[in-house]
Amino acid sequence: GENVEQHPSTLSVQEGDSAVIKCTYSDSASNYFPWYKQELGKRPQLIIDIRSNVGEKKDQRIAVTLNKTAKHFSLHITETQPEDSAVYFCAANGGGYQKVTFGIGTKLQVIP
Amino acid sequence: KAGVTQTPRYLIKTRGQQVTLSCSPISGHRSVSWYQQTPGQGLQFLFEYFSETQRNKGNFPGRFSGRQFSNSRSEMNVSTLELGDSALYLCASSLQDMNTEAFFGQGTRLTVV
Repeated sequence: GENVEQHPSTLSVQEGDSAVIKCTYSDSASNYFPWYKQELGKRPQLIIDIRSNVGEKKDQRIAVTLNKTAKHFSLHITETQPEDSAVYFCAANGGGYQKVTFGIGTKLQVIP
Repeated sequence: KAGVTQTPRYLIKTRGQQVTLSCSPISGHRSVSWYQQTPGQGLQFLFEYFSETQRNKGNFPGRFSGRQFSNSRSEMNVSTLELGDSALYLCASSLQDMNTEAFFGQGTRLTVV
């Protein structure tokens, strides 16, 4: 089955700096890679996703890049703000109707 | 449009008991997935249901089971509870499958004592 590894497990950045979270996956058939943000005590919510036919996707301060050859994808947050503080989960499906496997999560702390 | 609703929000059970959790998906969503969330393990996939059929299953023991009704509402059952089953149980609904945005419920916090 799919295996998703996520690094780092914790990340502290100064407000205004950039943050990068990296994930690798094992199943070359995976074609959908979502990122979820979970604020303390709240439910996970999708912030951005990318499909295997695209190498990069941006949405304001958030971007995701995908390298299919190396089987890794990354989340980039620029100009971080205190409200970006949360746990971020990457995920990958196994292709088709396979289940989505989540990474272990990265706790991001943005220091004002 | 109402979001994903999970009931109850909190549960305290004793070892050996069984428990049933409920999830009402967003109207029109046919796929419902369940996850166990613990501090050290992240989001662990339990199973996914689509049109009343279990389509995918994670690596959990047979004590964990589920079902989906014709209105797409889903239930999850855990029998013979163990202390290690204490966790936040999240369900998520999607239109067709997990290859599109999944909308999570608030979760049910289960504590086994």
